[in-house]
Formats: sequence, structure tokens, C-alpha cells
Amino acid sequence: AQKITQTQPGMFVQEKEAVTLDCTYDTSDPSYGLFWYKQPSSGEMIFLIYQGSYDQQNATEGRYSLNFQKARKSANLVISASQLGDSAMYFCAMREPSTGANSKLTFGKGITLSVRP
Amino acid sequence: GAGVSQSPSNKVTEKGKDVELRCDPISGHTALYWYRQSLGQGLEFLIYFQGNSAPDKSGLPSDRFSAERTGGSVSTLTIQRTQQEDSAVYLCASSLAVSSYEQYFGPGTRLTVT
Repeated sequence: AQKITQTQPGMFVQEKEAVTLDCTYDTSDPSYGLFWYKQPSSGEMIFLIYQGSYDQQNATEGRYSLNFQKARKSANLVISASQLGDSAMYFCAMREPSTGANSKLTFGKGITLSVRP
Repeated sequence: GAGVSQSPSNKVTEKGKDVELRCDPISGHTALYWYRQSLGQGLEFLIYFQGNSAPDKSGLPSDRFSAERTGGSVSTLTIQRTQQEDSAVYLCASSLAVSSYEQYFGPGTRLTVT
């Protein structure tokens, strides 16, 4: 089974609107971390937001928030007030400390977001 | 301050040749990771180093791949007898410590095997 699933093939959003990018994950580890990274066309990976499995509140970072639903094993990224510069690939990733590789990240296949003016 | 740097930015090599890819992590970061990103795909973990501990090589796809980290800083990923399926972007990342959740990525090396 895939550890991280991102099934949306591509997303379009109107500038200034909000958009949700879906991510589901699979783990039996009670302690894990969930991440979202942005990859613009230039190729660099930019860290956006982190959610720990024991965090009581959903993570927020500026216009980014993570809709963490632990029972459903989903960690959707919400981008509010989309900007043209938000057009990029977005990757969901997970870290499972007990697998023996404390810090390796397992990535989903990514979602392409296009913001329309 | 300087981020993670990688060299070369692009490498074209013939099938069967060996290549070396270099990564300079952020100064003071003790953890260093290598990932591979094939066209249109997510990142695939290859190997990580933490301080003086033995590296976790569980992601290396074959024994043609190896990596070392000298002096706890610079790392070199070596691919021997390159194959066309090795063509990908190789990304290096570093973090302050294993327990630190944010990994800082370099710009990557785009490897093309002809």
C-alpha cells in the first residue's frame, strides 16, 4: 500500500480564492510527522508546513493551514487567498520515526496547482 | 546565510560511465539526506547521514550507488556504470538534527544518461 496518496491530477484555482490539496497517508506508527513542500518550476523544494501526529491543533503558517483528520488519516493543505506565485507542484510527505530511518521522508507523487488570474 | 548547494547543476553522461554528485549542506547541520526525483514523480529516499553514525542506506536502489560524507560536512553520491534509468534529479537536503522536522533542500543535480 502506498504510504502517501495524492490522487488529484491537477488543480486550478482563481486568484484570491482558497484551494484544498488532498493527502491521505498510511502508517501503523503512533508517532509520525506530516509535511507539505512546494516545488516551483525552478525545481527547489520549499518547506511549507508541518503537523505532528500528537499535535492537538491544526498547523497554520500564514496563508497555509493543514486540515489534519487523524482518524481518517488525511492531511489536506489549504491555501487561502491564492496568488499567481502559488502555481507549482505540491508534495505531501511523512516521517515515521520507528521505521529505523528516523528522518527519511516518504513523498507522495505530488499535485500540480495552477492559479488563474 | 548560504543554503544547501549542489554541483554540478546538470550532468550529461554516457551509459556505463561513473558520475559523482556533490552536496554542501548548511553549516552546522548534522543530518544530510539524498533523494532522487524521476520525471513527474515524487521524491524517493536514497540515503541519509547523521553525525558519526553509520548511514542509513536502505533506499539505495542497487550496489552501483554509494555515498560518503567526509568530515561530517560535504557529501558525494557516486553512481557507477550509469544506466539510462538513473536519469533523474538528485536532491540533497540537510537538517539541524535528526529530530529537527524541517529539511532544507538544495537545487538538485539533473543527471541525464544517454
